Amino acid sequence: GAVVSQHPSRVICKSGTSVKIECRSLDFQATTMFWYRQFPKQSLMLMATSNEGSKATYEQGVEKDKFLINHASLTLSTLTVTSAHPEDSSFYICSARRQSEAFFGQGTRLTVV
Amino acid sequence: AQTVTQSQPEMSVQEAETVTLSCTYDTSESDYYLFWYKQPPSRQMILVIRQEAYKQQNATENRFSVNFQKAAKSFSLKISDSQLGDAAMYFCAYSTFFGNEKLTFGTGTRLTIIP
Repeated sequence: GAVVSQHPSRVICKSGTSVKIECRSLDFQATTMFWYRQFPKQSLMLMATSNEGSKATYEQGVEKDKFLINHASLTLSTLTVTSAHPEDSSFYICSARRQSEAFFGQGTRLTVV
Repeated sequence: AQTVTQSQPEMSVQEAETVTLSCTYDTSESDYYLFWYKQPPSRQMILVIRQEAYKQQNATENRFSVNFQKAAKSFSLKISDSQLGDAAMYFCAYSTFFGNEKLTFGTGTRLTIIP
């Protein structure tokens, strides 16, 4: 089956620094990828839709200057959390769809100290 | 906007018994997809079952089956012969019929299996 790989799985960074998370579709091309955020014991909330070769579409309330998304190729989307603060600590998950199915990365646990 | 509601934050079931998780949704579309995903402690999202709205027949995958009531906008998941490995968070999700659309998730149900 199709696989989506997300890296890193865990990252700890200092407040004020930036962190980049990668999401790759390993055996199919994904013109669209999705970035979700999940707080403990809560559901997945869509942050943004990443479109290959064009600007990402952000959900209401998500700061696009803070969460930079780049989708430079058909197999790679990146999410950069800029000037991270402790409140950005969360679990981030990427997803890509192939036809009717959605495939998810393993997720990234970000801790900002 | 589409919404997905899971009214059971937590459920528990005795091992080998059957449990049903509830999900309702709201949409004005006639064609769409519905999904049940399992999220174990590893937090990897695992597809349990998928239903296309245009199909009247309820989807089944081994011990997992759904009761899809389109008019009532209800999509429940039945787990038969519950196993310890079924313990996880279960999320109901909706997507429009177009292949590149986002998934909208419910709030989840935490399923505990009692040995």
